[in-house]
Amino acid sequence: EVQILETGGGLVKPGGSLRLSCATSGFNFNDYFMNWVRQAPGKGLEWVAQIRNKNYNYATYYAESLEGRVTISRDDSKSSVYLQVSSLRAEDTAIYYCTRSRELDYWGQGVMVTVSS
Amino acid sequence: DIQMTQSPSLLSASVGDRVTLSCKASQNIYKYLNWYQQKLGEAPKLLIYYTNSLQTGIPSRFSGSGSGTDFTLTISSLQPEDVATYYCYQYNSGPWTFGGGTKLELK
Repeated sequence: EVQILETGGGLVKPGGSLRLSCATSGFNFNDYFMNWVRQAPGKGLEWVAQIRNKNYNYATYYAESLEGRVTISRDDSKSSVYLQVSSLRAEDTAIYYCTRSRELDYWGQGVMVTVSS
Repeated sequence: DIQMTQSPSLLSASVGDRVTLSCKASQNIYKYLNWYQQKLGEAPKLLIYYTNSLQTGIPSRFSGSGSGTDFTLTISSLQPEDVATYYCYQYNSGPWTFGGGTKLELK
């Protein structure tokens, strides 16, 4: 059974940084692209970042709205993916979901990030 | 960037109705279009991938069609558990983008 679990959310002050973690199990992590998607309170879904697998040289892609402030990374030995977000703003307040594959076929339950003073 | 436009934004229908949701892309995305269902307080769930392929475990009353710029999600006979917000998503070219969603409620 595919399992995806995000951790690392919480309350952060504007200008601060946060590292989200996503632990996975139940599938061969090395074979898959991984993504982060976020959803601001009461709003729609926004794709944030993607990291490809070793076959694609771990290429990374970012939403323009966050480029320069966000870094996605992965550790295949731990079947985990990470999202580092810096210079956080109030508009970054959202649930952050970790999702598997180019098709976003499996999702974690998400982790809440609140940016507020 | 490819813009995805969903209509209507809110849809009211009765149990047993045939329901059709629309998603339009601002440029050709071939068939690289998925549909997700998000119930209140839950993570989104993949329903349909590559325009018309039903994800494992999804009831057959859900179906998808289209190509290029115009896509449709159809629920053949609406059930109470189908109340949710539905999102389309294009993965033809980056940055990958979602539609704004259609909220489906019972009349």
